[in-house]
Amino acid sequence: EVQLVESGGGLVQPGGSLRLSCAASGFTFSSYEMNWVRQAPGKGLEWVSYISSSGSTIYYADSVKGRFTISRDNAKNSLYLQMNSLRAEDTAVYYCARVTEQLVLGYWGQGTLVTVSS
Amino acid sequence: DIQMTQSPSTLSASVGDRVTITCRASQSISSWLAWYQQKPGKAPKLLIYKASSLESGVPSRFSGSGSGTEFTLTISSLQPDDFATYYCQQYNSFPWTFGQGTKVEIK
Repeated sequence: EVQLVESGGGLVQPGGSLRLSCAASGFTFSSYEMNWVRQAPGKGLEWVSYISSSGSTIYYADSVKGRFTISRDNAKNSLYLQMNSLRAEDTAVYYCARVTEQLVLGYWGQGTLVTVSS
Repeated sequence: DIQMTQSPSTLSASVGDRVTITCRASQSISSWLAWYQQKPGKAPKLLIYKASSLESGVPSRFSGSGSGTEFTLTISSLQPDDFATYYCQQYNSFPWTFGQGTKVEIK
């Protein structure tokens, strides 16, 4: 069974940093592209970042480009999101999501809440 | 960036009703469109991919259609478990984008 478990969320001050992790199990992690998607409280879904299976191809939403860095460690079956220069508008539940063989977001973690506030 | 616009934003319906949600893309995305269902406090669940392909395990009362810029999600006979928020998402090109969501409420 595919399992994705996010961690690392919490309360951080504006301008601060946080590193999210996503532990994957139940599949060959190194074979699949991964993504981060976020959802601000009471709002819709926003795609944040994509990383290819090898880590060689990366994309970001404009709203986080230059501040967030996605990475993966295939040996540790883990996905990461380094978030710097955090703003109040980055407050959201952050989900890691794996693509299916059809290249859509078919598997999601339970999410981790990031709150940016002084 | 490709903008995705869903309508309506909220929909009130009764059990057994046929429900249709529309999603429009600001430019052609061929058939690279997915639909998700989300319930409060839960992660989204994939329903439909490639505009009209039903994800494994999803009830057949859900169907999708369309191509290019106009897409629809139809629930043929609304069930109590279907009251939720639905999102479309294009994966034709990065940045991937979602519609703003359609909340299906009990009438």
